[in-house]
Amino acid sequence: DAGITQSPRHKVTETGTPVTLRCHQTENHRYMYWYRQDPGHGLRLIHYSYGVKDTDKGEVSDGYSVSRSKTEDFLLTLESATSSQTSVYFCAISEGLGAFFGQGTRLTVV
Amino acid sequence: SQQGEEDPQALSIQEGENATMNCSYKTSINNLQWYRQNSGRGLVHLILIRSNEREKHSGRLRVTLDTSKKSSSLLITASRAADTASYFCATHAAGYSTLTFGKGTMLLVSP
Repeated sequence: DAGITQSPRHKVTETGTPVTLRCHQTENHRYMYWYRQDPGHGLRLIHYSYGVKDTDKGEVSDGYSVSRSKTEDFLLTLESATSSQTSVYFCAISEGLGAFFGQGTRLTVV
Repeated sequence: SQQGEEDPQALSIQEGENATMNCSYKTSINNLQWYRQNSGRGLVHLILIRSNEREKHSGRLRVTLDTSKKSSSLLITASRAADTASYFCATHAAGYSTLTFGKGTMLLVSP
């Protein structure tokens, strides 16, 4: 398995609180991605990174920010969590061809 | 919006039968990829087919790509109960560095 770890794996938070999800890789892959997966929508891209401090928005970026200060870490922050952000979040890494996915973080906003 | 759309949304077969899933997409691509997701797990990369390829095999998997119709199919031969999972196609659009996923096909293989 590719060396990619997401933390936490599960989190329950209250509406309006900030939340940060972490993705850590040991593969030195250039590209890192954050997706969310919701029933009926499949996987949708939130943000991605193509290098340290190089990030860009995806399809559903509103309400999310990211940071990548080191090659191995890609952080996803919900500045003020809302119930619509209840989802399963997946991090993925790639060198341009196939992607490797983490195990996911199940986030519930109450 | 989703680039790839899988068909059917759900498929139920018996062990030993073949399973065929289809994917349609909208724009020019560099490559198309298929992934499997077991319940509660992350996605696993199965196979990649480049835009200049028409067919590719990997074990019991066969993927075809028709760029003129903007469609792909994934065939799993001699299916097993362990093949029960959701299958997603993902497109790597020309000029972009991201993957866009469809909504997936849920495959149930009964013993």
